[in-house]
Amino acid sequence: GAVVSQHPSWVICKSGTSVKIECRSLDFQATTMFWYRQFPKQSLMLMATSNEGSKATYEQGVEKDKFLINHASLTLSTLTVTSAHPEDSSFYICSARDQREDSGELFFGEGSRLTVL
Amino acid sequence: GENVEQHPSTLSVQEGDSAVIKCTYSDSASNYFPWYKQELGKRPQLIIDIRSNVGEKKDQRIAVTLNKTAKHFSLHITETQPEDSAVYFCAGSRNRLAFGKGNQVVVIP
Repeated sequence: GAVVSQHPSWVICKSGTSVKIECRSLDFQATTMFWYRQFPKQSLMLMATSNEGSKATYEQGVEKDKFLINHASLTLSTLTVTSAHPEDSSFYICSARDQREDSGELFFGEGSRLTVL
Repeated sequence: GENVEQHPSTLSVQEGDSAVIKCTYSDSASNYFPWYKQELGKRPQLIIDIRSNVGEKKDQRIAVTLNKTAKHFSLHITETQPEDSAVYFCAGSRNRLAFGKGNQVVVIP
């Protein structure tokens, strides 16, 4: 299947700093990528849909100025958590579909665990 | 938007027994229903999926059944093994996936 890679896999930062997470589709192009946040023992909550060459679509309740998304190429989307605070600590996962396939299967990145001190 | 609910939240089964997890969805226009398995600290991985024009699909010990009238679909795991212990997420989709809250499945050796 298709491969989606995230970096970094974990990051610890001080409160008030910004953190950038990258999501790459390694062997396919993705015009759309999805960013999820997962708190311990909870489900995957869709934060936003990243669209190549245009603005991201944010889910209700997700601050677009807080979580900056850039999808500058067909293989890379980035999520920047700006002015991070301890409540932003979470597991962030991206996903994408390989549009060459009809299955509609979502392929997930490894996830990025953010800890804000 | 799509609202997806899973039951039960936690399921414990003896090794070798079968496990069944049910998922209900709200959007009658949803046409794609996947089940993902997530082990602790790892990414979700698709284990089986079904489209709205099919009632049942099977892959070795894993099967999914879909009841469009009742708007629910179920994951069936037969001959459970300890490595089946994980959280299982269902999702409903028209254009983008809305995930359920997950089912913790524990297989007791």
